[in-house]
This record gives sequence, C-alpha cells and structure tokens, in this order.
Amino acid sequence: KAGVTQTPRYLIKTRGQQVTLSCSPISGHRSVSWYQQTPGQGLQFLFEYFSETQRNKGNFPGRFSGRQFSNSRSEMNVSTLELGDSALYLCASSLENGVNTEAFFGQGTRLTVV
Amino acid sequence: ILNVEQSPQSLHVQEGDSTNFTCSFPSSNFYALHWYRWETAKSPEALFVMTLNGDEKKKGRISATLNTKEGYSYLYIKGSQPEDSATYLCAFPSGAGSYQLTFGKGTKLSVIP
Repeated sequence: KAGVTQTPRYLIKTRGQQVTLSCSPISGHRSVSWYQQTPGQGLQFLFEYFSETQRNKGNFPGRFSGRQFSNSRSEMNVSTLELGDSALYLCASSLENGVNTEAFFGQGTRLTVV
Repeated sequence: ILNVEQSPQSLHVQEGDSTNFTCSFPSSNFYALHWYRWETAKSPEALFVMTLNGDEKKKGRISATLNTKEGYSYLYIKGSQPEDSATYLCAFPSGAGSYQLTFGKGTKLSVIP
C-alpha cells in the first residue's frame, strides 16, 4: 500500500513568488492535514480538509491556502512568498473522521525562499 | 491556543539504558493523545493513539501511559538501542471530529552505542 506522497521534495523560490505543493494521501483516506515546521518551532497546523471541505484553519495569514480534490489529493498554495516561509511542509492523511486514529505523514516538501 | 509541553527537550542515553519522557496537555476537553516518532530524513510515524484515562499501550520495548485528569502522558523506552534515536512528538487534537493536532516541540533522543 503506497504511503502519503508529497511533491516536490525540495523547492527553491524567490521572495514574492508563489508556490504550490501537492499531497497524495493513502488510498481511501479522506482527511488531509498540512503542517509547517520551522527551526525552533514544533509542527504548526495549517489546515485540514475532509471530503473536499476545509474543516479547520490554523493561525496563518491568508497567503496560505489549500484545496482538496474529489480523489482526496490536496494542494496548498503560498502566495507572495516571504523569507520566513522557508520551512518543511508536511502533509498527513487519516482514514476515519475522528481523532482516535493515527495520522500518516508524507516525507515533506522542503521550501527555501531566497 | 492549546499548550502541549514536552520534556526534556533532548536526551542522551547509553545503549541498553531505559528512559522516559513526558508530555503535558490540557486536562479539559480531552479527546485523544497521539505519540509519534520522527527519525531524521523520514516521515513522522505513529506510535500510539491513547484515549482512555489510565490507558497503557505497548509496542515492543516502547510503552506509554496516560493520565487525562492531570493532563500528562509518559513514554518509556526499555533497553534503548541506537535505532531508537529519533525525535518523539506528542500531539493533542483540538476536537473530536477534527484532525487539527497541536504538537509539542518534541524530545530528541540520542542513543550512544
């Protein structure tokens, strides 16, 4: 069974550009969440999608957005990139609609903004 | 804003030693408590999802306990091995029907051969 796949693995962008990251969840998983990790910080919740609907959004500016497609694949977009957006972005998927089940994580996309 | 604290921040132990670390979380509105292991260059991997006060779960040499009334969970590793070297994260969901997890900053364990 294929795991959670994130593409690309590494990305270098210039300040002011925009970027789109992709996440393919495990087959059958309908919940997809995104997290950001920066040096010195723990994993920070960005947003969660379930059946194409955004259920929750973390405390991030509107430059961060996302969506989920009917096949549960998800994308997140960051517009007008800032140096501080350099981070590891992790996607996680889960099977059930509830927090009693584990999340399965991808290996992440390492974004560097220069 | 939920506050999830982990201690210690890092730990160095000799191979064969047993060790434990702590996760503290809000004792109100408890839904579940997750533990993950994150090895360098890999994805975080779930160890346990704990839901009931007094729960004790075990996977090989790793076990965890849960006290929801006082808001803490312990993770124990018996006879640490170099392959146990990783960052151990706990996470607290914000609601029963949502996968918004608040993570602690983790405990980084290094096992010295």
